[in-house]
This record gives sequence, structure tokens and C-alpha cells, in this order.
Amino acid sequence: DSGVTQTPKHLITATGQRVTLRCSPRSGDLSVYWYQQSLDQGLQFLIQYYNGEERAKGNILERFSAQQFPDLHSELNLSSLELGDSALYFCASSVGRAGGTDTQYFGPGTRLTVL
Amino acid sequence: AQSVTQLGSHVSVSEGALVLLRCNYSSSVPPYLFWYVQYPNQGLQLLLKYTSAATLVKGINGFEAEFKKSETSFHLTKPSAHMSDAAEYFCAVTHMNSGGYQKVTFGTGTKLQVIP
Repeated sequence: DSGVTQTPKHLITATGQRVTLRCSPRSGDLSVYWYQQSLDQGLQFLIQYYNGEERAKGNILERFSAQQFPDLHSELNLSSLELGDSALYFCASSVGRAGGTDTQYFGPGTRLTVL
Repeated sequence: AQSVTQLGSHVSVSEGALVLLRCNYSSSVPPYLFWYVQYPNQGLQLLLKYTSAATLVKGINGFEAEFKKSETSFHLTKPSAHMSDAAEYFCAVTHMNSGGYQKVTFGTGTKLQVIP
């Protein structure tokens, strides 16, 4: 158990809909990262937050947005869903040290299926 | 820009045989390198990391990796494979963004199959 929690575990929805994925980081971690993992694209970094502020952006679509709240939990919002958005979405957290040596701790993921 | 290349998307070894998973990196600055493992239906878990101390890094579950600057490699090895090692392994490199915070780039992953 990494200490990172994600809800829900599974989500099935229809094209055009909007969903929200939730992540609670490990106690004491200030950074939260979101990743998308699919068979054809592999593991893709989406976005990172540190103590409520956006710190880095990866391959995140404009239809997707995220935020980190004062209690440090984070939400990833996916809108106008398409079939290709079906994937595993992982959240990870780390202490947030500057310098590059942070270990990221991954949650169990949310499996999104768009029908 | 930093990147990692994992050679071989699938590797099969016999139980008890040597495990060798290859990772080459590209980095304009001294890199920090990581190996993560993902078991079926789970998130990624850190195996080991190189942070410029010792070049031979020991991790969990008997895995180790050696940083070779001359070869820009960080291959993962284990002397004797167990059935429980069947998983997907990801090599990753970190680099700093303009704000001074790390951004991680993952390789495409190598699925390890262990044959009894």
C-alpha cells in the first residue's frame, strides 16, 4: 500500500460525458502527479501540482483539467469524453523536493471506460 | 530534453535464469534514473533509483542496476528470476522544469514473462 488513494476504482460512462477522478496523496506529500496509461500510448504524464499550484504540464488535452485543493487532494476533470479516453489514470505523490531525486508513490489507479 | 529508451517491449526468461532489462537514457545534464515495477492491476512501485552516489544501485526484491555514463545505460538485472517477478518494468529519468521542480519521463515499459 503506497498511501495514495484514488477514487473511484472503476468508472464507466458514455461519450460526451464529464467525469471527475479524485486523488489523496500520502500524508506529508505536497506534490501530486497525474498519468494516463493506455495500451497504445503507454504511460503518459499529464500534469503536476505542488502545494496547490501547477508546476509542470505534459500531454494533457484541453478537454482535461486538474486542480489541487488546500487539503492537498487533487481532482482530474475529463470532459467531452471520447472512446480514446478509455485508459487507466494514475495519481502519484511525492514530497516535492526541488532537485530531481523525489520518489513518486503511485495510487492503484482509476480505470475509465468510455462507451 | 531528457528521454529513456527501453529495448524490448517483452522479455521472457526461465525461472532461475538471469534477468536483464535494458534502459538507455539521453540527458544533457547528469541524470537521476529510476526503475519502477507494475504488477497486474496495480500502480507503479519504485524498485530503485540512481541519484549520483554509488553507480551500482541495489533495490528491492533482489534487483540491481548499474549506471554507466560511457554507455548512457542503466540496465536492470537480477541473478535468478522468480515467478513473482512477472510484471511490467519502467525505466524513468527526471529533469527539472523552469520552476526547479522535477518532471519525470518514463520509458515505454518492458513486460517480463517468467517461464516455469
